[in-house]
Amino acid sequence: AQKITQTQPGMFVQEKEAVTLDCTYDTSDPSYGLFWYKQPSSGEMIFLIYQGSYDQQNATEGRYSLNFQKARKSANLVISASQLGDSAMYFCAMRAGNAGNMLTFGGGTRLMVKP
Amino acid sequence: DSGVTQTPKHLITATGQRVTLRCSPRSGDLSVYWYQQSLDQGLQFLIQYYNGEERAKGNILERFSAQQFPDLHSELNLSSLELGDSALYFCASSDRLAKYTDTQYFGPGTRLTVL
Repeated sequence: AQKITQTQPGMFVQEKEAVTLDCTYDTSDPSYGLFWYKQPSSGEMIFLIYQGSYDQQNATEGRYSLNFQKARKSANLVISASQLGDSAMYFCAMRAGNAGNMLTFGGGTRLMVKP
Repeated sequence: DSGVTQTPKHLITATGQRVTLRCSPRSGDLSVYWYQQSLDQGLQFLIQYYNGEERAKGNILERFSAQQFPDLHSELNLSSLELGDSALYFCASSDRLAKYTDTQYFGPGTRLTVL
C-alpha cells in the first residue's frame, strides 16, 4: 500500500524567505511519481511540481523546487522568496506504478506567510 | 485555470436526497477521476473513467455512482445523502489511462452541504 506523510500541520514563514515543506512516502513499487499541489482558501487544487522515481535531478518550477532523497523516501517542497499569495494548504501526493490510477495524498501542511 | 470545469460550484441539499455533479475534462484528456475531500478523511480517490469505461475504484460508497459520456464529460451521482457526505468533490483529468508520470489536473470542485 502507498502512504504519504506530512508531519507539519502548520507553518509560518516570513515574506521573502525560503521555506521547506516535508513529505515522506512509502511504497514498494520502484516506479512512482510524486506531486505537490497547492490549495488556496478558495478551494481549488493547483498542480505545482512533479518528480519521477527515476529522475536523476531534482525538479524545479520557478520558485518551487523538490528536494528528492530517494534513499530516505522523502520529497520535500522548497519555496523560495515566499510571497503573501503562497499562504495556502500544500499537499504531497504519490502515484505508484502498481497502485492503479489513483493519487494518494498526505494530510497537508498549512503555510502562512507573514508580511 | 486548469482547464477542468465542474458544476455546480456549491450545492446545498437535505438528507435522503440525490444530486448530480458534473465535470468536463481538459481538452484532449480521456481520463477522469473523482476525489472527495472531507475534514475527517482528507482527500480520497473515488473512481476513474477512461474514454467512457470505468477503470479503477477507490473508497466509493455503493450509494455513489459515476459515468463518462461519449463527449468525455463525467457525472458523479450521489444518492440517499447523509450528513457525512458533506464534502468538497473534485474532478481531475489526465490525458492517458494510467502512467505514474501523468499529472492529474483538478477542477475547482463542488462543495456539497447536506443538511
